[in-house]
Amino acid sequence: KAGVTQTPRYLIKTRGQQVTLSCSPISGHRSVSWYQQTPGQGLQFLFEYFSETQRNKGNFPGRFSGRQFSNSRSEMNVSTLELGDSALYLCASSPDSLGNYEQYFGPGTRLTVT
Amino acid sequence: QQQVKQSPQSLIVQKGGISIINCAYENTAFDYFPWYQQFPGKGPALLIAIRPDVSEKKEGRFTISFNKSAKQFSLHIMDSQPGDSATYFCAASASNYQLIWGAGTKLIIKP
Repeated sequence: KAGVTQTPRYLIKTRGQQVTLSCSPISGHRSVSWYQQTPGQGLQFLFEYFSETQRNKGNFPGRFSGRQFSNSRSEMNVSTLELGDSALYLCASSPDSLGNYEQYFGPGTRLTVT
Repeated sequence: QQQVKQSPQSLIVQKGGISIINCAYENTAFDYFPWYQQFPGKGPALLIAIRPDVSEKKEGRFTISFNKSAKQFSLHIMDSQPGDSATYFCAASASNYQLIWGAGTKLIIKP
């Protein structure tokens, strides 16, 4: 099976712009989670989608939003970018079968805000 | 109560030595405790995981020790190798599919 893919891998944006990141989960996985990773802050949970519905949400401002499509692919959007949004954004998919909480991560999208 | 506290923040171990990383939690509803390994430029990858019905799980050189009464779990890497140099994250979940993550430990194995 192909792994989790994320596009683009690298992105440079200007403060105030908006950005959309894409994630394609492993075939058959229905749950997709998004994380922000910055040096010294570890993995910060953004949100999780299952069957096109947001099931869990972290403590991020409303500028961060996401969605999931019927084929389980997911996108996250950040509006009005701030310098502090520079980070590695990771997507993880999960089989979401009973008792199986394993998450499989993509390589991430490195976002730089200037 | 949702936190997972991981220590140390960084660790240097000689090749062949034992690397030990510790995590502590408060939420007794947690029922799944994975460890992830992350190399630079890559996403984290599941290394090993344990559930609270066992006290230890071993996979090759990697062992999770779990102490339910102390609400602590640890990762032991035996015969540590330079290729084990990475950042390690512990996590915990309470059956709602949301993982709560530790802050990470940067492990360096000196040849």
